[in-house]
Amino acid sequence: KNQVEQSPQSLIILEGKNCTLQCNYTVSPFSNLRWYKQDTGRGPVSLTIMTFSENTKSNGRYTATLDADTKQSSLHITASQLSDSASYICVVSELIKAAGNKLTFGGGTRVLVKP
Amino acid sequence: DTGVSQNPRHKITKRGQNVTFRCDPISEHNRLYWYRQTLGQGPEFLTYFQNEAQLEKSRLLSDRFSAERPKGSFSTLEIQRTEQGDSAMYLCAVGRSSGNTIYFGEGSWLTVV
Repeated sequence: KNQVEQSPQSLIILEGKNCTLQCNYTVSPFSNLRWYKQDTGRGPVSLTIMTFSENTKSNGRYTATLDADTKQSSLHITASQLSDSASYICVVSELIKAAGNKLTFGGGTRVLVKP
Repeated sequence: DTGVSQNPRHKITKRGQNVTFRCDPISEHNRLYWYRQTLGQGPEFLTYFQNEAQLEKSRLLSDRFSAERPKGSFSTLEIQRTEQGDSAMYLCAVGRSSGNTIYFGEGSWLTVV
C-alpha cells in the first residue's frame, strides 16, 4: 500500500530559528514529490515540486531535498517567521498512465512559530 | 489565490439533508480531483476527473456521494442523507495533462449537526 509518513507531527520553534521536517514514502512507481503549506482553514499552497532526478529545490526560505534511493525528503525552513505557522504536507505522486498523477498525502507537520 | 473557486465555503446542515459543493477550476486544466480532509489529518482522495470522464473513485466515496463534471469544466460533489461523520473540509484540486503542478481551492467546510 502506498504510504507517506511525516515527522514530527508537530513542532514549536522560536522566530528566527531554522527547522527541518521529514517525509518518508513507499509510493511506487514514483512520479514526483511535492511540499505544500496549508494555513488553518485554507487550501494547500504549493511550495516545491521535485521529480526523480532532482535532489534539492528552493523557494525563498524553504528548501526541499529528495533522496529517491532511500525514499526520503526533507523540508528546511530558514530564519522562521510568524507567518510560517501552518501545516506542511508532503505529497507523493504515483504515475498512472491513464489517470495521470495519483497523489498520496502525508498527515502533515504542524509548525508553530513563537515570537 | 490559485484561481480555483469553491462554493459554498461553509455549510452547516442537519443530519439527513443533502448538500452540494461546486468547484470552478482554472480554465484549460483538464484534470480535477476531490479530496476530503478532517481536522489534523492530510487530505484523502475521493475521486478524479479527466475532462468530463470520472476515471477513478475511492472506496471512501460511498453510494451517498456522487461527483459530476458534465462539460469538463466545473464539477459538483453531492452528499445525500448526510451523516455526522461527513463533517470535514472538501477540497477541489486541478491540474493539466501536460504539467505536474496541481492547484487547490480554498475548500468547502461541511458541518453536519
